[in-house]
Amino acid sequence: DTGVSQNPRHKITKRGQNVTFRCDPISEHNRLYWYRQTLGQGPEFLTYFQNEAQLEKSRLLSDRFSAERPKGSFSTLEIQRTEQGDSAMYLCASSRSQGPLYEQYFGPGTRLTVT
Amino acid sequence: KNQVEQSPQSLIILEGKNCTLQCNYTVSPFSNLRWYKQDTGRGPVSLTIMTFSENTKSNGRYTATLDADTKQSSLHITASQLSDSASYICVVSAGRGSTLGRLYFGRGTQLTVWP
Repeated sequence: DTGVSQNPRHKITKRGQNVTFRCDPISEHNRLYWYRQTLGQGPEFLTYFQNEAQLEKSRLLSDRFSAERPKGSFSTLEIQRTEQGDSAMYLCASSRSQGPLYEQYFGPGTRLTVT
Repeated sequence: KNQVEQSPQSLIILEGKNCTLQCNYTVSPFSNLRWYKQDTGRGPVSLTIMTFSENTKSNGRYTATLDADTKQSSLHITASQLSDSASYICVVSAGRGSTLGRLYFGRGTQLTVWP
């Protein structure tokens, strides 16, 4: 499978616990994006990387959220001290960075439920 | 404020019928507009992408139109199938070239096709 993969697909955690999600982009893509999607809404941008550099972070990304892409390949998104409002689908996407019509390819998402 | 509005919020049609989904946007500067299909519990998958100079693009039974003057787009689905049941999301890319490319998502139109 050469698409974007995300793990785990589902995560149930208790409020206050920390969780970490992983995204493996398409191998030749140097841009990687994280989005959050709640029920009935479109995805909301959280952050993106060009190679290992985190170039932009949304105001949605509170101090409890941290994302890394240490070697410019896979990325992790960690949420500390989870709250019920963090329950959502977390989507990862990747793209090439060259050309105005770059396509973002989305992974299947990680659905987080905070109880 | 950069926004993407979609209508209707939900739509039910019978198998074999046609339908049209609408998208209005205020994103500026405009780079391109995409329509994505998102099955329940999955990541979005791109259907079409149009730049400022394109006013129509087809992908099988899906035909998208773009009026950059009025900032409106539509997605027409012909001869609907049960597998068309999904959320259809209008996405507008801001900026020019590959320097930014921030995507603005609509909330989606939930389409249900009944047999």
